[in-house]
Amino acid sequence: EDQVTQSPEALRLQEGESSSLNCSYTVSGLRGLFWYRQDPGKGPEFLFTLYSAGEEKEKERLKATLTKKESFLHITAPKPEDSATYLCAVRKAGTALIFGKGTTLSVSS
Amino acid sequence: GAVVSQHPSWVICKSGTSVKIECRSLDFQATTMFWYRQFPKQSLMLMATSNEGSKATYEQGVEKDKFLINHASLTLSTLTVTSAHPEDSSFYICSARVGVSNYGYTFGSGTRLTVV
Repeated sequence: EDQVTQSPEALRLQEGESSSLNCSYTVSGLRGLFWYRQDPGKGPEFLFTLYSAGEEKEKERLKATLTKKESFLHITAPKPEDSATYLCAVRKAGTALIFGKGTTLSVSS
Repeated sequence: GAVVSQHPSWVICKSGTSVKIECRSLDFQATTMFWYRQFPKQSLMLMATSNEGSKATYEQGVEKDKFLINHASLTLSTLTVTSAHPEDSSFYICSARVGVSNYGYTFGSGTRLTVV
C-alpha cells in the first residue's frame, strides 16, 4: 500500500535554530515528490517538486532533498514567519497526490 | 500565475440542506480538478477527480450521491454537498494540475463547512 509518513508531527524551534523535516514514502512508480506549506484555514502553497534521487532544490531558507526512500526539508535559520504546517505529497502515474499528515512548525523569536 | 479561486471561504448551513462550493481556474484551463477533504490535524484526503465534460471518479468510501461534482467547463468545477449532516463539517479544498510545469498542482484557498 502506498504510504507517506512525515516526522516529527510537531516541531518547535527558536528563531535561527536550523532543523530538518522528514518525509518517508513507500510508493511504486514515483512521478514526483511535492512539498507544500499550509497556513491555518488556507489551502496548500507550492514549495518544491523533486523527481529523482539526489535532486535538491532551494528557496530562501528552505532546501529540499530526495533519496529513494525519503525526502528532507531543511530549514536554515528559521524566522517566526516560517511557522506553518509543511505537507509532503507523492504522485504516481495517472493519480492525484497522496499526502502525509504534515509537520507543524512553530518558530519563536 | 496558475491561480485557483475557491468560494465561499466558509459557510454555515443547517442539517439537511445543500451547499455548493465553486472552484475556478483564473489564468489557465484545468482539464482535471481534484477535490480533497481535510479534518483537523489530518492529511488531505482525496475525495474525487473530475474531468471536464465527463463524470467524476470518486475514491472508495466517498458517496457520489452525497457529494455531487460538476466540471462543465475548463475553468469551473463545483462540489455540492447534498443533505448535509454535522459529520460533513470539514475543510474542503480543490486542486488543479498545472500543465507540466514545476508548479505541479495548485490549490484553492479552501472552504470551511460547518453543518449545525
